[in-house]
Amino acid sequence: GAVVSQHPSRVICKSGTSVKIECRSLDFQATTMFWYRQFPKQSLMLMATSNEGSKATYEQGVEKDKFLINHASLTLSTLTVTSAHPEDSSFYICSARDHRETYGYTFGSGTRLTVV
Amino acid sequence: GEDVEQSLFLSVREGDSSVINCTYTDSSSTYLYWYKQEPGAGLQLLTYIFSNMDMKQDQRLTVLLNKKDKHLSLRIADTQTGDSAIYFCAGTMEYGNKLVFGAGTILRVKS
Repeated sequence: GAVVSQHPSRVICKSGTSVKIECRSLDFQATTMFWYRQFPKQSLMLMATSNEGSKATYEQGVEKDKFLINHASLTLSTLTVTSAHPEDSSFYICSARDHRETYGYTFGSGTRLTVV
Repeated sequence: GEDVEQSLFLSVREGDSSVINCTYTDSSSTYLYWYKQEPGAGLQLLTYIFSNMDMKQDQRLTVLLNKKDKHLSLRIADTQTGDSAIYFCAGTMEYGNKLVFGAGTILRVKS
């Protein structure tokens, strides 16, 4: 089945620095990828939809300048958390739409970001 | 937009059946999904059901869909301790593009 690789799985950074998270579709091309954020004991909140070759579509309330998304190729989307603050600490998960399967959404294993 | 609700916690004994319930609002969702999340991990697709189906069975998993009531359930037969996790139901909005998740049901299996 489809595989989505997400790196890093865990990162700790200092306040004010930027962190990049990568999401790769390993065996399929993903024209659309999604970025979610999950707070402890809560559900997944969709942050943005990433479209290959075009600007990402952000959900209401998500700061575009804070969470930079780049979908430069059909297999790679990146999320950069800029000028990170402790309140950005969270679990970030990407998902890719596999159009070979009409129902298919495959998720990465997630990235635990801790900002100190 | 789509709103998905589910019960928050379920505790069962090993060997019993578990039933996790979910209700949704957007009937345009072509597929409805059940995902499993173990601590610190991503989401694993357990099963899905096409919106024109009433039931789907896959080994220990049975999905029931009541479109009239917009109610989805997941039954896990012979629940094992390894089934302890958070279970999310999800549906699509905007004609199949975005997945919207319920709050998640914590399943605890007691041995």
